[in-house]
Amino acid sequence: GAGVSQSPSNKVTEKGKDVELRCDPISGHTALYWYRQSLGQGLEFLIYFQGNSAPDKSGLPSDRFSAERTGGSVSTLTIQRTQQEDSAVYLCASDGGRGEVTGELFFGEGSRLTVL
Amino acid sequence: GENVEQHPSTLSVQEGDSAVIKCTYSDSASNYFPWYKQELGKRPQLIIDIRSNVGEKKDQRIAVTLNKTAKHFSLHITETQPEDSAVYFCAASGGSSNTGKLIFGQGTTLQVKP
Repeated sequence: GAGVSQSPSNKVTEKGKDVELRCDPISGHTALYWYRQSLGQGLEFLIYFQGNSAPDKSGLPSDRFSAERTGGSVSTLTIQRTQQEDSAVYLCASDGGRGEVTGELFFGEGSRLTVL
Repeated sequence: GENVEQHPSTLSVQEGDSAVIKCTYSDSASNYFPWYKQELGKRPQLIIDIRSNVGEKKDQRIAVTLNKTAKHFSLHITETQPEDSAVYFCAASGGSSNTGKLIFGQGTTLQVKP
C-alpha cells in the first residue's frame, strides 16, 4: 500500500478482555516496529521485526503482550487480559524499502486503545 | 540497552528566535541519530538525521550536531515559525545489539509564539 495502515483506529474494551491490533506495513519494507505512546508521553519501544531474524521483544512490558508477523508482512499485536494502564496509542512503523534498512521509519496513524 | 535522554521537555520561544533541543545516549556503539516531528494528532515524521561519521548536518532552517565523545546530539531550529510548533523526538540506533532498533527520547513540546 501507499502507507502504513493500522486497524482499528480506535478500540474501547473492558478490563480483562483481550485485544488484537493490526498493522499493514508499506509493501516491501523488511523492518516493522511497534511503539506505544501514552497521553503526552514519548514513544516507548515494544518490539522490532527485521526480515527473517528473530524479533527483538525487549520492549514488551509484560507477558500479556505478544506480537507476530506473518509472511514478513502483516503484524498483529495482542494484549491479553487488558489493564487500564494499557490505555495508549499503539503506533506501528516500517522501514527497509528495497531491502535496505535506512532508519527512516514510516508510521501509521496508530490504534488508540482505551481500557475501561 | 540503549537509553536516550532528551531536554527540555517543553520549550517556548518567540517567532523568529532559535530553538535548541538536546539529547544524550548511553550506548557508545550507536551510529544513527534521527529527529522526528509530531504535530498534534498526527503521526511522527522524520525531519533530519545524522550518522556517526559526521559532526553536523544542515537542512534549511534545521541543523543537527553530534558529539560522539560526549554521546550527545542536538537539534537547532533557526528563525522559528508558528508551524514549527510540535513535539520533537530524538532517537538513536545501531548500538551494541547491532540492530536497527530505534530508541526514542521522551520528546520536547515546542511552542512558537507569533
